[in-house]
Amino acid sequence: AQSVTQLGSHVSVSEGALVLLRCNYSSSVPPYLFWYVQYPNQGLQLLLKYTSAATLVKGINGFEAEFKKSETSFHLTKPSAHMSDAAEYFCAVSGFRGGSQGNLIFGKGTKLSVKP
Amino acid sequence: GAVVSQHPSRVICKSGTSVKIECRSLDFQATTMFWYRQFPKKSLMLMATSNEGSKATYEQGVEKDKFLINHASLTLSTLTVTSAHPEDSSFYICSARGWDRGVSNYGYTFGSGTRLTVV
Repeated sequence: AQSVTQLGSHVSVSEGALVLLRCNYSSSVPPYLFWYVQYPNQGLQLLLKYTSAATLVKGINGFEAEFKKSETSFHLTKPSAHMSDAAEYFCAVSGFRGGSQGNLIFGKGTKLSVKP
Repeated sequence: GAVVSQHPSRVICKSGTSVKIECRSLDFQATTMFWYRQFPKKSLMLMATSNEGSKATYEQGVEKDKFLINHASLTLSTLTVTSAHPEDSSFYICSARGWDRGVSNYGYTFGSGTRLTVV
């Protein structure tokens, strides 16, 4: 079974401050991990993904995440927040079973607010 | 990059009528399509998974006779909400996974979502 836990349903930072959104996963198979961003009334946009290559993954818009197997974590960071980063962020996990990649399992999401 | 076009973006329908939502993969072959439902301020709930040419697999608690899914081609999947009721009002999102120039894309490409309001 797989699951994702996002710590903090709401994170607020000041513009220019570090963004840290936490994600811990549970998976019985080697996981693939994803971070998505969702703006109001829109679909999900992929920020970055970990697919068993480099453990430090760089994504779009200056975001990056580090896969830490020992901590079962995949936290999302950005050195300097921008007003346009305000959105809902979802961490997700999938894995292979029998050679077939399963569906995404989503965390509950973290709403990021950026204060001027 | 991979693009999934979802239509309509918003629809308002009367209670008892049916609504069809389309998702098209524009530049890749979507061998698998996932349909999600998202309640306000909530995460995405997987409704069903469909593989091209096969019957959809529905998640527990999802009525397959109410939410009809068709995935007849590698570029098109549809979700039809039959006999819609106000409690079906929600945000529906499709997600496609497939092959691009012979390479499986391990990511999932999402449509832009459909806001359904049943009055």
